[in-house]
Amino acid sequence: SYELTQPPSVSVSPGQTASITCSGDKLGDKYACWYQQKPGQSPVLVIYQNTKRPSGIPERFSGSNSGNTATLTISGTQAMDEADYYCQAWDSSTVVFGGGTKLTVL
Amino acid sequence: VQLQESGPGLVKPSETLSLTCTVSGYSISSGYYWGWIRQPPGRGLEWIGIIYHSGSTYYNPSLKSRVTMSVDTSKNQFSLKLSSVTAADTAVYYCARPFGQLSTLSFDYWGQGTVVTVSS
Repeated sequence: SYELTQPPSVSVSPGQTASITCSGDKLGDKYACWYQQKPGQSPVLVIYQNTKRPSGIPERFSGSNSGNTATLTISGTQAMDEADYYCQAWDSSTVVFGGGTKLTVL
Repeated sequence: VQLQESGPGLVKPSETLSLTCTVSGYSISSGYYWGWIRQPPGRGLEWIGIIYHSGSTYYNPSLKSRVTMSVDTSKNQFSLKLSSVTAADTAVYYCARPFGQLSTLSFDYWGQGTVVTVSS
């Protein structure tokens, strides 16, 4: 079965750029999306189709996908961005989620 | 579009978990797939399955033998049944709406989630 691998945790200082990676075999040939989940809340879609931002998502969130790695980049990270982030893709008629990355802003 | 999960919060081991998602602000029969995702305590998201308004389904292979999803367009609801549950099925269960073609599928609307505990 297809797997998506994320680092368990990433730390960033306020105002700096955070990068969260998601790795999978030939992931660049698929479409990746990203969700933000804060404690006790439902996930929120922040990037879809590799690079697109849903309405209402700040411009500081951006995405890329090439080779075996998709990346979520948060520019000018704010304290409110501290959350868990999950990547997701579609493979062989299944939805696959990455294991999640806890982003700490300190 | 709003989604709201409902169902028992406590299920006994070996029994069947049954949840319903009521959709408002959009008619299920108009299109789109509709899905279920769960999250065990302190862990990540796990996809359960999606169902089209016509009844076509895709299930997580690891759960396929125990999962049944259905749609009731007259009530604008879709449902999940998970049989032979164990403590490992304890989780927050979310219903959600995916959009886009299957290959580009993303979930843009989510319910608030409902906690289901499997315990005797």
